[in-house]
Amino acid sequence: EADIYQTPRYLVIGTGKKITLECSQTMGHDKMYWYQQDPGMELHLIHYSYGVNSTEKGDLSSESTVSRIRTEHFPLTLESARPSHTSQYLCASSDGYEQYFGPGTRLTVT
Amino acid sequence: SQQGEEDPQALSIQEGENATMNCSYKTSINNLQWYRQNSGRGLVHLILIRSNEREKHSGRLRVTLDTSKKSSSLLITASRAADTASYFCATDDPSYSGGSNYKLTFGKGTLLTVNP
Repeated sequence: EADIYQTPRYLVIGTGKKITLECSQTMGHDKMYWYQQDPGMELHLIHYSYGVNSTEKGDLSSESTVSRIRTEHFPLTLESARPSHTSQYLCASSDGYEQYFGPGTRLTVT
Repeated sequence: SQQGEEDPQALSIQEGENATMNCSYKTSINNLQWYRQNSGRGLVHLILIRSNEREKHSGRLRVTLDTSKKSSSLLITASRAADTASYFCATDDPSYSGGSNYKLTFGKGTLLTVNP
């Protein structure tokens, strides 16, 4: 089991709310990633970071933002949730080629 | 896009049978990886094969890579009910030159169901 954690695991929230999805890893990995995945579909990279104070947007346009103030912590924030944000969000970390994934947060915006 | 495409989209077999999944990609790669995802969970890395390798084994897994056809296959031998999951191939950015900027692009996956 990889030492990467995501909270909450499930979140149901109303439109317009601000939410933060937490991701932490205890492996000291420099590289961290956020993916969005709809059921039965591929993963889309929405944000990544190569170290503290380094963040980049991924291949899929997203209205979310991220920060990387500490190596172990890579939170994702949605300022105003919308039903189109309903999806599963997966966090991963890496110190090489292999990526280690957290269990995911399933977000439903009503 | 560097996206891999898995084939078939879904595969249902009996326990003990072999399962073969294929992945095709569009441009050159440095390496290709296979991941497994159990329903509603995160992905777990299975195996990595480099562009200069043709075949690799890990337990009941056998991966092949044909860079001339831009394709890879994952074979699971003597399948078990616990192998039921989605399997994804992931390719890297061909412009990656060994620095820290490493990204993967995942395919749509093959859903494997192993019936007891």
